[in-house]
Amino acid sequence: GNSVTQMEGPVTLSEEAFLTINCTYTATGYPSLFWYVQYPGEGLQLLLKATKADDKGSNKGFEATYRKETTSFHLEKGSVQVSDSAVYFCALSNSGGSNYKLTFGKGTLLTVNP
Amino acid sequence: KAGVTQTPRYLIKTRGQQVTLSCSPISGHRSVSWYQQTPGQGLQFLFEYFSETQRNKGNFPGRFSGRQFSNSRSEMNVSTLELGDSALYLCASSLSGAGSGANVLTFGAGSRLTVL
Repeated sequence: GNSVTQMEGPVTLSEEAFLTINCTYTATGYPSLFWYVQYPGEGLQLLLKATKADDKGSNKGFEATYRKETTSFHLEKGSVQVSDSAVYFCALSNSGGSNYKLTFGKGTLLTVNP
Repeated sequence: KAGVTQTPRYLIKTRGQQVTLSCSPISGHRSVSWYQQTPGQGLQFLFEYFSETQRNKGNFPGRFSGRQFSNSRSEMNVSTLELGDSALYLCASSLSGAGSGANVLTFGAGSRLTVL
């Protein structure tokens, strides 16, 4: 079955530091990959996505590249801000499949200190 | 454009009771899915509905059920509540469901259930 493994953290950084959150996956076929972010007391918000190999998703300074050869989708940001403090989830869905669900990693808590 | 609306946002129940949670999807979205979020298990898929039909169900006991109405609004019900059912229940809507093309799920803020 499908699975997503991401570094669980917590990750604590100073403002303007470089961020990497690792995510690897196991799936049949060619899944679509996502990063969602959850701020305290809120639901999940889509941060970025990629639907095929070598696609790069980007949003708000965050980037992730769909690497089929390493089955990875690592999240990066060059300079984090205090407002980036949140929990980040890597997820996948089977494209063209019939399970109609997202499979999530455990989430990574990021805290950015001023 | 209104987002996904979940009600109630917070509720407290006691063991043995039942609870019904409601989800109103984004206008035009016909797929609604439900997820349970707990600190120990993370985000787990409960079920997905499209045009009033359940297309997939996660590995949860029969106490967890759901339905979707003709206007795409959805409800989920948990009967005979247990302490372990305490969680944040998230609803997500999309045009045609996760995995369909480049469909993106939009999540609501969740309903936080506490079972005492």
